[in-house]
Amino acid sequence: QVQLQESGPVLVKPSGTLSLTCVVSGGSISTKNWWSWVRQPPGEGLEWIGEILHTGSTNYNPSLKSRVTISVDKSKNQISLQMTSVTAADTATYYCARSGPCVLEYWGQGSLVTVSS
Amino acid sequence: ESVLTLSPGTLSLSPGERATLSCRASQSVSSTYLAWYQQKPGQAPRLLFYGASSRATGIPDRFSGSVSGTDFTLTISRLEPEDFAVYYCQQYGSSPLYTFGQGTKLEIK
Repeated sequence: QVQLQESGPVLVKPSGTLSLTCVVSGGSISTKNWWSWVRQPPGEGLEWIGEILHTGSTNYNPSLKSRVTISVDKSKNQISLQMTSVTAADTATYYCARSGPCVLEYWGQGSLVTVSS
Repeated sequence: ESVLTLSPGTLSLSPGERATLSCRASQSVSSTYLAWYQQKPGQAPRLLFYGASSRATGIPDRFSGSVSGTDFTLTISRLEPEDFAVYYCQQYGSSPLYTFGQGTKLEIK
């Protein structure tokens, strides 16, 4: 069974860069599946951020594309998320998930990131 | 961008009752690209259905999914205590690739 685990700083300063890592275990990241990031502000709904394939190909949510970079490290079986110029509106629980096809099959437990000075 | 609207926003029912949740798409969505998720407090979403009506692994058969035009329905035939949660529908394929409805909270009456 595939398992995903997010990690990273829990507090980021406004205008700073949010960085998270998602380690995949129980299977290789180098499969036909895409790997997504999804976020959820406290008490709110779900927003898809983007996805990456092991080849490095990416798709992003147009509303976040200018601030987001998703990357893959096959040697560590992990993906990463960087989001620049963060504001309080970026405070959320960030999930990584395995896509496919057309659904988000497996999810990590999530990592709450707070943007505050 | 196609918008998914879930109704009702909150549904208050008792264990043993039948729950019917509706997800309406603002634009045509193939049933192939419609999924349902369940989320309990403090947990990640859990995939319930893909292709509108195909149960994901381990989902009890008291859960069912159906479609009529642009209206998608999630039905729980007899509510168990563990079914009280927030439910989301999700579509795939338009821009952005994945979009979610705002969620229906199923609470104990």
